Amino acid sequence: NAGVMQNPRHLVRRRGQEARLRCSPMKGHSHVYWYRQLPEEGLKFMVYLQKENIIDESGMPKERFSAEFPKEGPSILRIQQVVRGDSAAYFCASSPPPQVAYEQYFGPGTRLTVT
Amino acid sequence: DAKTTQPPSMDCAEGRAANLPCNHSTISGNEYVYWYRQIHSQGPQYIIHGLKNNETNEMASLIITEDRKSSTLILPHATLRDTAVYYCIVRNPTLISSGSARQLTFGSGTQLTVLP
Repeated sequence: NAGVMQNPRHLVRRRGQEARLRCSPMKGHSHVYWYRQLPEEGLKFMVYLQKENIIDESGMPKERFSAEFPKEGPSILRIQQVVRGDSAAYFCASSPPPQVAYEQYFGPGTRLTVT
Repeated sequence: DAKTTQPPSMDCAEGRAANLPCNHSTISGNEYVYWYRQIHSQGPQYIIHGLKNNETNEMASLIITEDRKSSTLILPHATLRDTAVYYCIVRNPTLISSGSARQLTFGSGTQLTVLP
């Protein structure tokens, strides 16, 4: 029973390049969440997606960041024209379909370094 | 979501019980208490959650006071691998209106250090 998978685990990009982070949810989970953890800071929610649908993107920066969760394949968090301030750990979590009480299961994260 | 207050750090001797407190005095009737932990550089790990009854699983026990204004996470026999930041999160997980508010809001948590 594989957990949430994220790749790559480490990603180095130069300023101005694009970063693509992938997340495969746990089997049977149709809801995906992305969080960001800046160095020495707490986890901050970015976006919540279901298959082919963005439910809540209130935590996403307005520019350069986008997310998708296609019908087939992993969820993708895309950062265009990266800047040094984007250097952080990006965590994906998944959960089962809605129920009264639920928990989120997190992946190991992708550590993005912008040089 | 209700605000929570946790001590910034705690120490515990290996093999002893670790009792991590959390105050949530503004909790409302339909809000649950969730506990997660983050071992250094890893993804957060779900531990346990509850509404008003005490809960126990293979990882920990959750004790919620009768008035629900505070709770305690208990790790019965702490090991060195339990050293982590522990987060208490209070929230209503049900979908609301046209969207949802299902994201987790992480505070500063408690840094638990298990000492040999």
